[in-house]
Amino acid sequence: GAGVSQSPSNKVTEKGKDVELRCDPISGHTALYWYRQSLGQGLEFLIYFQGNSAPDKSGLPSDRFSAERTGGSVSTLTIQRTQQEDSAVYLCASSIAGTGLQPQHFGDGTRLSIL
Amino acid sequence: GEDVEQSLFLSVREGDSSVINCTYTDSSSTYLYWYKQEPGAGLQLLTYIFSNMDMKQDQRLTVLLNKKDKHLSLRIADTQTGDSAIYFCAGSRGSQGNLIFGKGTKLSVKP
Repeated sequence: GAGVSQSPSNKVTEKGKDVELRCDPISGHTALYWYRQSLGQGLEFLIYFQGNSAPDKSGLPSDRFSAERTGGSVSTLTIQRTQQEDSAVYLCASSIAGTGLQPQHFGDGTRLSIL
Repeated sequence: GEDVEQSLFLSVREGDSSVINCTYTDSSSTYLYWYKQEPGAGLQLLTYIFSNMDMKQDQRLTVLLNKKDKHLSLRIADTQTGDSAIYFCAGSRGSQGNLIFGKGTKLSVKP
Protein backbone atom coordinates (compact mmCIF):
# COMPACT_ATOMS: atom_id res chain seq x y z
CA GLY A 1 0.00 0.00 0.00
CA ALA A 2 0.96 3.65 -0.16
CA GLY A 3 3.48 4.87 2.36
CA VAL A 4 3.82 8.24 4.06
CA SER A 5 3.91 10.97 1.45
CA GLN A 6 5.59 14.33 1.96
CA SER A 7 5.64 17.40 -0.24
CA PRO A 8 7.50 19.23 -1.52
CA SER A 9 10.56 17.00 -1.58
CA ASN A 10 12.80 20.07 -1.76
CA LYS A 11 12.14 23.68 -0.84
CA VAL A 12 14.49 26.61 -1.21
CA THR A 13 13.36 29.94 0.17
CA GLU A 14 14.73 33.23 1.33
CA LYS A 15 15.29 34.07 4.95
CA GLY A 16 12.21 35.70 6.46
CA LYS A 17 9.67 33.94 4.26
CA ASP A 18 7.04 31.53 5.56
CA VAL A 19 6.99 27.90 4.42
CA GLU A 20 4.43 25.11 4.59
CA LEU A 21 5.38 21.44 4.52
CA ARG A 22 2.80 18.76 3.95
CA CYS A 23 2.49 15.19 5.19
CA ASP A 24 -0.02 12.60 4.08
CA PRO A 25 0.13 9.63 6.49
CA ILE A 26 -0.60 6.00 5.76
CA SER A 27 -4.35 5.47 5.55
CA GLY A 28 -5.78 4.33 8.86
CA HIS A 29 -2.84 5.52 10.95
CA THR A 30 -4.10 7.65 13.81
CA ALA A 31 -0.73 8.86 15.08
CA LEU A 32 1.40 11.35 13.18
CA TYR A 33 4.83 12.69 14.13
CA TRP A 34 7.11 15.39 12.76
CA TYR A 35 10.88 15.20 13.20
CA ARG A 36 13.73 17.39 12.02
CA GLN A 37 17.07 16.08 10.84
CA SER A 38 19.97 18.49 10.77
CA LEU A 39 23.73 18.03 10.66
CA GLY A 40 24.38 19.55 14.03
CA GLN A 41 21.45 18.15 16.00
CA GLY A 42 20.72 14.78 14.42
CA LEU A 43 17.08 13.66 14.48
CA GLU A 44 14.82 15.62 16.82
CA PHE A 45 11.17 15.15 17.66
CA LEU A 46 9.02 18.20 16.91
CA ILE A 47 5.32 17.47 17.38
CA TYR A 48 2.89 14.56 17.76
CA PHE A 49 -0.77 14.18 16.83
CA GLN A 50 -3.03 11.37 18.01
CA GLY A 51 -6.57 11.26 16.71
CA ASN A 52 -8.57 14.23 17.91
CA SER A 53 -6.49 14.82 21.02
CA ALA A 54 -4.53 18.02 21.59
CA PRO A 55 -1.12 17.69 19.97
CA ASP A 56 2.09 17.33 21.95
CA LYS A 57 4.10 20.38 20.85
CA SER A 58 6.92 19.90 23.33
CA GLY A 59 9.58 19.49 20.64
CA LEU A 60 8.88 22.64 18.65
CA PRO A 61 12.02 24.81 18.83
CA SER A 62 10.30 28.21 18.77
CA ASP A 63 6.92 29.87 18.37
CA ARG A 64 7.70 30.37 14.68
CA PHE A 65 6.89 26.69 14.25
CA SER A 66 3.32 25.41 14.22
CA ALA A 67 1.48 22.42 12.84
CA GLU A 68 -2.04 21.30 12.29
CA ARG A 69 -3.74 18.12 11.27
CA THR A 70 -7.05 18.44 9.52
CA GLY A 71 -9.66 15.70 9.68
CA GLY A 72 -7.28 13.39 11.45
CA SER A 73 -5.30 12.80 8.27
CA VAL A 74 -3.11 15.29 6.38
CA SER A 75 -0.80 17.46 8.43
CA THR A 76 0.89 20.75 7.62
CA LEU A 77 4.00 22.04 9.38
CA THR A 78 4.39 25.81 9.06
CA ILE A 79 7.54 27.77 9.74
CA GLN A 80 7.12 31.53 9.87
CA ARG A 81 9.86 34.09 9.26
CA THR A 82 12.36 31.38 8.39
CA GLN A 83 15.93 31.60 9.63
CA GLN A 84 19.04 29.94 8.23
CA GLU A 85 19.18 27.57 11.21
CA ASP A 86 15.82 26.18 10.05
CA SER A 87 17.61 24.53 7.13
CA ALA A 88 17.18 20.80 7.64
CA VAL A 89 15.29 17.76 6.42
CA TYR A 90 11.79 17.62 7.92
CA LEU A 91 10.53 14.07 8.30
CA CYS A 92 7.00 12.93 8.94
CA ALA A 93 6.06 9.53 10.36
CA SER A 94 2.81 7.77 11.11
CA SER A 95 1.83 4.73 13.12
CA ILE A 96 -1.36 2.77 13.65
CA ALA A 97 -1.63 4.04 17.21
CA GLY A 98 0.55 6.49 19.08
CA THR A 99 1.16 4.31 22.08
CA GLY A 100 4.78 3.44 21.51
CA LEU A 101 3.65 -0.11 20.80
CA GLN A 102 3.46 0.24 17.03
CA PRO A 103 6.37 1.09 14.73
CA GLN A 104 6.55 4.43 12.97
CA HIS A 105 6.81 4.58 9.21
CA PHE A 106 8.60 7.54 7.70
CA GLY A 107 8.20 9.55 4.54
CA ASP A 108 11.17 10.61 2.42
CA GLY A 109 11.21 14.06 3.99
CA THR A 110 11.27 17.64 2.78
CA ARG A 111 14.74 19.13 2.38
CA LEU A 112 14.42 22.79 3.37
CA SER A 113 17.16 25.25 2.47
CA ILE A 114 17.03 28.83 3.71
CA LEU A 115 19.17 31.26 1.74
CA GLY B 1 15.79 12.49 29.48
CA GLU B 2 16.52 9.67 27.11
CA ASP B 3 19.94 9.54 25.51
CA VAL B 4 20.93 7.12 22.78
CA GLU B 5 24.57 6.62 21.82
CA GLN B 6 26.06 4.97 18.76
CA SER B 7 29.49 4.81 17.23
CA LEU B 8 29.62 7.00 14.14
CA PHE B 9 31.40 4.80 11.61
CA LEU B 10 31.82 1.13 10.73
CA SER B 11 33.67 -0.31 7.76
CA VAL B 12 33.46 -3.96 6.73
CA ARG B 13 34.27 -6.12 3.71
CA GLU B 14 31.53 -7.57 1.56
CA GLY B 15 30.48 -10.97 2.87
CA ASP B 16 31.58 -10.27 6.44
CA SER B 17 29.17 -9.72 9.32
CA SER B 18 28.54 -6.18 10.56
CA VAL B 19 27.68 -5.41 14.17
CA ILE B 20 26.32 -1.98 15.02
CA ASN B 21 26.06 -1.15 18.71
CA CYS B 22 23.83 1.22 20.63
CA THR B 23 23.44 2.15 24.28
CA TYR B 24 20.46 3.94 25.76
CA THR B 25 19.64 5.46 29.12
CA ASP B 26 15.84 5.21 29.46
CA SER B 27 14.95 1.70 30.61
CA SER B 28 11.25 2.46 30.17
CA SER B 29 11.47 2.42 26.37
CA THR B 30 8.81 -0.04 25.28
CA TYR B 31 10.29 -0.78 21.91
CA LEU B 32 13.74 -0.29 20.45
CA TYR B 33 14.13 0.22 16.75
CA TRP B 34 16.66 0.07 13.97
CA TYR B 35 16.16 2.32 10.96
CA LYS B 36 18.23 2.50 7.78
CA GLN B 37 18.75 5.71 5.82
CA GLU B 38 20.21 5.79 2.34
CA PRO B 39 21.43 9.07 0.82
CA GLY B 40 18.60 11.46 0.05
CA ALA B 41 15.96 9.11 1.41
CA GLY B 42 13.82 8.91 4.51
CA LEU B 43 14.11 6.36 7.27
CA GLN B 44 13.35 2.75 6.46
CA LEU B 45 12.22 0.61 9.37
CA LEU B 46 14.48 -2.44 9.48
CA THR B 47 13.41 -4.20 12.63
CA TYR B 48 12.35 -3.60 16.19
CA ILE B 49 12.41 -5.48 19.44
CA PHE B 50 10.07 -5.38 22.40
CA SER B 51 11.81 -4.53 25.63
CA ASN B 52 11.06 -7.90 27.25
CA MET B 53 12.82 -9.83 24.50
CA ASP B 54 16.50 -10.74 24.35
CA MET B 55 16.86 -11.50 20.69
CA LYS B 56 15.01 -11.19 17.43
CA GLN B 57 16.09 -12.65 14.10
CA ASP B 58 14.77 -11.60 10.72
CA GLN B 59 16.59 -13.10 7.73
CA ARG B 60 20.08 -11.55 7.71
CA LEU B 61 19.32 -9.31 10.66
CA THR B 62 19.76 -10.26 14.31
CA VAL B 63 18.92 -7.86 17.13
CA LEU B 64 20.30 -8.49 20.59
CA LEU B 65 19.03 -6.63 23.64
CA ASN B 66 20.80 -6.61 26.99
CA LYS B 67 18.35 -4.75 29.16
CA LYS B 68 20.56 -4.88 32.24
CA ASP B 69 23.36 -3.07 30.43
CA LYS B 70 20.94 -1.03 28.25
CA HIS B 71 22.78 -2.24 25.17
CA LEU B 72 21.27 -2.98 21.80
CA SER B 73 23.04 -4.39 18.77
CA LEU B 74 22.19 -5.06 15.15
CA ARG B 75 24.07 -7.80 13.34
CA ILE B 76 23.90 -7.97 9.57
CA ALA B 77 25.08 -11.31 8.21
CA ASP B 78 26.76 -11.59 4.80
CA THR B 79 26.95 -7.82 4.41
CA GLN B 80 26.46 -6.56 0.87
CA THR B 81 27.40 -3.27 -0.79
CA GLY B 82 23.69 -2.43 -0.85
CA ASP B 83 23.77 -2.40 2.95
CA SER B 84 25.94 0.73 2.88
CA ALA B 85 23.86 3.39 4.63
CA ILE B 86 23.40 5.14 7.95
CA TYR B 87 21.79 3.03 10.66
CA PHE B 88 19.85 4.67 13.47
CA CYS B 89 19.00 3.16 16.80
CA ALA B 90 15.91 4.64 18.47
CA GLY B 91 13.93 4.18 21.64
CA SER B 92 10.29 5.11 22.12
CA ARG B 93 9.59 7.58 24.87
CA GLY B 94 6.53 7.87 27.02
CA SER B 95 2.99 6.81 26.28
CA GLN B 96 2.88 8.49 22.90
CA GLY B 97 5.95 6.82 21.55
CA ASN B 98 7.89 9.68 20.03
CA LEU B 99 11.32 8.39 19.14
CA ILE B 100 14.67 9.37 20.57
CA PHE B 101 17.38 8.68 18.02
CA GLY B 102 21.09 8.07 18.20
CA LYS B 103 23.31 10.08 15.86
CA GLY B 104 23.52 7.18 13.43
CA THR B 105 26.28 4.78 12.39
CA LYS B 106 27.56 5.10 8.85
CA LEU B 107 28.21 1.62 7.50
CA SER B 108 30.62 1.37 4.57
CA VAL B 109 30.89 -1.95 2.78
CA LYS B 110 34.01 -2.50 0.71
CA PRO B 111 33.87 -4.96 -2.20
